[in-house]
Amino acid sequence: KAGVTQTPRYLIKTRGQQVTLSCSPISGHRSVSWYQQTPGQGLQFLFEYFSETQRNKGNFPGRFSGRQFSNSRSEMNVSTLELGDSALYLCASSLAPGEKLFFGSGTQLSVL
Amino acid sequence: AQSVTQPDIHITVSEGASLELRCNYSYGATPYLFWYVQSPGQGLQLLLKYFSGDTLVQGIKGFEAEFKRSQSSFNLRKPSVHWSDAAEYFCAVGSDQAGTALIFGKGTTLSVSS
Repeated sequence: KAGVTQTPRYLIKTRGQQVTLSCSPISGHRSVSWYQQTPGQGLQFLFEYFSETQRNKGNFPGRFSGRQFSNSRSEMNVSTLELGDSALYLCASSLAPGEKLFFGSGTQLSVL
Repeated sequence: AQSVTQPDIHITVSEGASLELRCNYSYGATPYLFWYVQSPGQGLQLLLKYFSGDTLVQGIKGFEAEFKRSQSSFNLRKPSVHWSDAAEYFCAVGSDQAGTALIFGKGTTLSVSS
């Protein structure tokens, strides 16, 4: 069974641009969560989607948004990029909220 | 405030020696506790979790952890470390209500010397 797939693996953007990251969960998993990982702040929860509905949201500005499609694939978008948005963005999927999380390898975003 | 503290940023252990990684938490609800491992350039892999019941939890790769409610701790242990255990280890706390919104510690980097 294929794992959680995140694309692209690496991304370089400049300040002010916007970016969209993609996550394909494990087949059959309906819950997708996003985390931001930085050396300074560590791992921080961004949001969780289940059955196309945002179920939970972390403490991030409105520039960070996401969505989930009917096939459970998810995208997250960051608008008006700032230098501090440089991070590894991790996606995790689970059968349902509260079930075991399976993480992808992440998208490394660099904002210049 | 809800938080997870991993007091040791970096630990070096000799191959074959025992290991204990510390984790303390502060959480309002009944906690679910997790240990994850991350190898360079990779995502996180769940080692073990505690939801309820027996306070000594067995995980994969020979790891175990003990939940001590009175000390708000969930320390990870392994009796004999292998070179392949070198990685970064994260303790996390959540709850039934929080779903997948886990709070992670800052991590402990484990180096294994031969």
